Amino acid sequence: QKEVEQNSGPLSVPEGAIASLNCTYSDRGSQSFFWYRQYSGKSPELIMFIYSNGDKEDGRFTAQLNKASQYVSLLIRDSQPSDSATYLCAVIKPEGNEKLTFGTGTRLTIIP
Amino acid sequence: DAGVIQSPRHEVTEMGQEVTLRCKPISGHNSLFWYRQTMMRGLELLIYFNNNVPIDDSGMPEDRFSAKMPNASFSTLKIQPSEPRDSAVYFCASSLAVQPQHFGDGTRLSIL
Repeated sequence: QKEVEQNSGPLSVPEGAIASLNCTYSDRGSQSFFWYRQYSGKSPELIMFIYSNGDKEDGRFTAQLNKASQYVSLLIRDSQPSDSATYLCAVIKPEGNEKLTFGTGTRLTIIP
Repeated sequence: DAGVIQSPRHEVTEMGQEVTLRCKPISGHNSLFWYRQTMMRGLELLIYFNNNVPIDDSGMPEDRFSAKMPNASFSTLKIQPSEPRDSAVYFCASSLAVQPQHFGDGTRLSIL
């Protein structure tokens, strides 16, 4: 089992709809969770982080964390073509310190 | 504010040559990370430093790879001798304490 799993996609969503990206992790004690967006040929860019169970909203983005089920998700409301990118989920594992373990990413395409 | 600065942006060299990648972290950040990204393996942590001290180098693939951080504003990742399988995009990231990491633009390395 991979430490951080994501569906590689591609995930196609019509413009204006809600895009839902999911991520599961294997280490139950994982502490911190991050979503990065990566455009083709560019570097990862942090868009959301969440530490506690529940929802965290920032503009059109909502991160959801369920530690009991070991999943974290990212919702993008009112999807725009500029949201088309690969979304990387990353976690800090129970041993702590600052190491991020990344999933392989989900490629999202917003269809105009 | 200046972000993480990496150089060179692109490097093409022949197998067996020494390659040196450079990184300047964000001023004030005390942790620095080196990653490698390939299509097959995704984004992998190679090594990270905290307060200029290497904390975890378990991701360094083999003895051909070495990294240094002589001061808080500069780090190098060296490959000697280079091999075609080292071809990848190498990212440097920095952070302050347990805050989220910020990535540089990366170095695209091609070993012929």
